[in-house]
Amino acid sequence: AQKITQTQPGMFVQEKEAVTLDCTYDTSDPSYGLFWYKQPSSGEMIFLIYQGSYDQQNATEGRYSLNFQKARKSANLVISASQLGDSAMYFCAMRERGTGNQFYFGTGTSLTVIP
Amino acid sequence: ETGVTQTPRHLVMGMTNKKSLKCEQHLGHNAMYWYKQSAKKPLELMFVYNFKEQTENNSVPSRFSPECPNSSHLFLHLHTLQPEDSALYLCASSQGEGRVGGSYEQYFGPGTRLTVT
Repeated sequence: AQKITQTQPGMFVQEKEAVTLDCTYDTSDPSYGLFWYKQPSSGEMIFLIYQGSYDQQNATEGRYSLNFQKARKSANLVISASQLGDSAMYFCAMRERGTGNQFYFGTGTSLTVIP
Repeated sequence: ETGVTQTPRHLVMGMTNKKSLKCEQHLGHNAMYWYKQSAKKPLELMFVYNFKEQTENNSVPSRFSPECPNSSHLFLHLHTLQPEDSALYLCASSQGEGRVGGSYEQYFGPGTRLTVT
């Protein structure tokens, strides 16, 4: 089974609007971390936000927030007030305490911000 | 220098050549990773090193040979590659296991775009 599933290959959003990028995960480890990365066309993967499995509150970092629904095993990324520079690939990833340094990545979502 | 650096940024090599990719991290992390990213494919983990010891080798062909002389440096030695090995090769580093309920994030280098002719 896929550890990380991103079902939206491509998304479009109007500038200044909010957008939600979906991510579901699969694990039986009670201790895990969830991450979102942004990859612009230049190729570098940029860390955006982290959510721990024991965190009670949803993580937020500036315009990024993570909608963490543990029972549903979903960790959607919400980008508020989209900017043209947000156009990029976005990857959801997970790391389980039980598998050490292994990170699992989804297939990514391509986001295009329309002016 | 800060963060994770990779050299070269671009590499074109023939199938009979031998070349090496270099990665250096200045973050004091103890784990380093090689990933392969091909067009329209998910990120593929190739190798993981933790405190210089290889902990993961995801069935990577022997024409790719990693080397980790210390926690700050990671190399990927390439020889007799195939055209399908053309891809973006990303290096990353992270702290080891840490926070309860999760772990430290990975920091990535800019990647080496490899073309095998």
